Amino acid sequence: GNSVTQMEGPVTLSEEAFLTINCTYTATGYPSLFWYVQYPGEGLQLLLKATKADDKGSNKGFEATYRKETTSFHLEKGSVQVSDSAVYFCALGGLNFGNEKLTFGTGTRLTIIP
Amino acid sequence: DAMVIQNPRYQVTQFGKPVTLSCSQTLNHNVMYWYQQKSSQAPKLLFHYYDKDFNNEADTPDNFQSRRPNTSFCFLDIRSPGLGDAAMYLCATSRDTGDTQYFGPGTRLTVL
Repeated sequence: GNSVTQMEGPVTLSEEAFLTINCTYTATGYPSLFWYVQYPGEGLQLLLKATKADDKGSNKGFEATYRKETTSFHLEKGSVQVSDSAVYFCALGGLNFGNEKLTFGTGTRLTIIP
Repeated sequence: DAMVIQNPRYQVTQFGKPVTLSCSQTLNHNVMYWYQQKSSQAPKLLFHYYDKDFNNEADTPDNFQSRRPNTSFCFLDIRSPGLGDAAMYLCATSRDTGDTQYFGPGTRLTVL
């Protein structure tokens, strides 16, 4: 079956540090890949996505590249801010019309300290 | 702005007392989803509607029901909430099957 494996948290970084959150996936076929962010007490917000191999999704300084050869979609940001503190979920979807389920990773809690 | 709205944001109910959570959307999307998210876990899909067609996940308890009276609104009914049903309930929509899902802010349910 389909699955997403995410870097375990929590992750604590200082402001302006470089961020990487690893995400790898297993899927039959060619999924779309997503990063969602969840701020405390809120729902999930789409951060970025990529729909095919070698696509790069980017938003708010975050980037992730769809790597088919390594089945990965790692999230990166060059300089994090305190406001980036949240839980980040990697997810795959878009497979098999008629099976609309998003498969989520377990989430990575990120805390940025000033 | 087009969006997904959930009401109420916080709901307290008593053990066994039926409760209804509401979701509305201004995106005119065909698909609406309900997820349950327990503390420090990923969201778990309960069911979804494609237009009026209801699709239940195999492991969703019978205690959870849903209604979609029109394109804009979808309701989650919990017939007899147990303590284990305390969670954040997230509504999401997508234009079509397999498209990007957009989430509402969630309703946090407390069961006393």
